[in-house]
Amino acid sequence: KQEVTQIPAALSVPEGENLVLNCSFTDSAIYNLQWFRQDPGKGLTSLLLIQSSQREQTSGRLNASLDKSSGRSTLYIAASQPGDSATYLCAVHSGGYQKVTFGIGTKLQVIP
Amino acid sequence: EPEVTQTPSHQVTQMGQEVILRCVPISNHLYFYWYRQILGQKVEFLVSFYNNEISEKSEIFDDQFSVERPDGSNFTLKIRSTKLEDSAMYFCASSPPGSSNQPQHFGDGTRLSIL
Repeated sequence: KQEVTQIPAALSVPEGENLVLNCSFTDSAIYNLQWFRQDPGKGLTSLLLIQSSQREQTSGRLNASLDKSSGRSTLYIAASQPGDSATYLCAVHSGGYQKVTFGIGTKLQVIP
Repeated sequence: EPEVTQTPSHQVTQMGQEVILRCVPISNHLYFYWYRQILGQKVEFLVSFYNNEISEKSEIFDDQFSVERPDGSNFTLKIRSTKLEDSAMYFCASSPPGSSNQPQHFGDGTRLSIL
């Protein structure tokens, strides 16, 4: 059974800082891994999708890496802004070919 | 960009009542899913649906739950006799045809409150 863990659970940083969010998963036989953003009481906004054959994906100030063999992914946010404040969820697509397993998320607060 | 849309955004229902949550997936997508998120907890997979039948379901998806694609555009989740613990945010998702590497696109969710 796939388990997804995210560390840290919460993070508070001053504006402008670069930061790294971590995700680990127990079953390395994955199809892909997605990072989502969730604002309080809102839906899931897809940020980056990394296919199992890829090592990283970039979108603007975001960079996600994937090390499938060690069961880890990181989300790097450069030059953080107050608007980046949200919960970031890691989700792994594996197992039954349609099932996505989510981590509980990292709650990020960027202080102006 | 095409979106998955869910209605209503918030549903309040008395315990024991039936509730139907509605979703309109992206038009050319063939795979459909429901997830739920109890407040403060992880997003959990409920069920996936393809070719007019359930292809996978979790242990959460018991006999109280059912899904249906009544026409060419809607995808619904029905809870027959709601319990207090069914209170959660319910997310619908869809993915396009092709390999299992296709990403799932999520709606904004329906907040279900059981009184």
